[in-house]
Amino acid sequence: DQQVKQNSPSLSVQEGRISILNCDYTNSMFDYFLWYKKYPAEGPTFLISISSIKDKNEDGRFTVFLNKSAKHLSLHIVPSQPGDSAVYFCAASTDNAGNMLTFGGGTRLMVKP
Amino acid sequence: DVKVTQSSRYLVKRTGEKVFLECVQDMDHENMFWYRQDPGLGLRLIYFSYDVKMKEKGDIPEGYSVSREKKERFSLILESASTNQTSMYLCASFNPPGEGQGKSGNTIYFGEGSWLTVV
Repeated sequence: DQQVKQNSPSLSVQEGRISILNCDYTNSMFDYFLWYKKYPAEGPTFLISISSIKDKNEDGRFTVFLNKSAKHLSLHIVPSQPGDSAVYFCAASTDNAGNMLTFGGGTRLMVKP
Repeated sequence: DVKVTQSSRYLVKRTGEKVFLECVQDMDHENMFWYRQDPGLGLRLIYFSYDVKMKEKGDIPEGYSVSREKKERFSLILESASTNQTSMYLCASFNPPGEGQGKSGNTIYFGEGSWLTVV
């Protein structure tokens, strides 16, 4: 049973609009959450993270929101750019070092010019 | 710049063959990982190692073994490849934060992936 789920396998948005990628988790012991971005034929690269003591973390066009009571997090990209087209993985960790990640299934984002 | 190198990018092997996937990192990281990526299932942890000659099973270790003889090198071994092991394999490395360092900068660094097809 998947502990981290990304229920939307794909998402298509227009350039300049907001992209919202969602992630749900079941393990209440998760305390550190990350988003990774993956282009074809490349390994995932770290995008942004959030600790469970926060409900929001912002880095430029990327903002991650955490709703612990709903066991839900989301990644907002504003404004979306064609170069953002990639697969986005949500990941969660229970250990203090942010090690031992459990990944979601990924969401493929397509940003249309 | 951080570098995790997977020497074999694309392999085609026959059922029953022994397969070695090599991974080298140049960051002196303690922890190294092997994941496989399958559509809809995301990245699933096969094995990890937190020190030379140390290894721990991940979520899906069956059919795999690993070797860590040197700190910079972590090998994934398929003793007898099967068609259900056709997948993309990703190696990663990570260093736990030192004392006083926050978690915000923690990242796991991934290699570019190895596409394995077993026929």
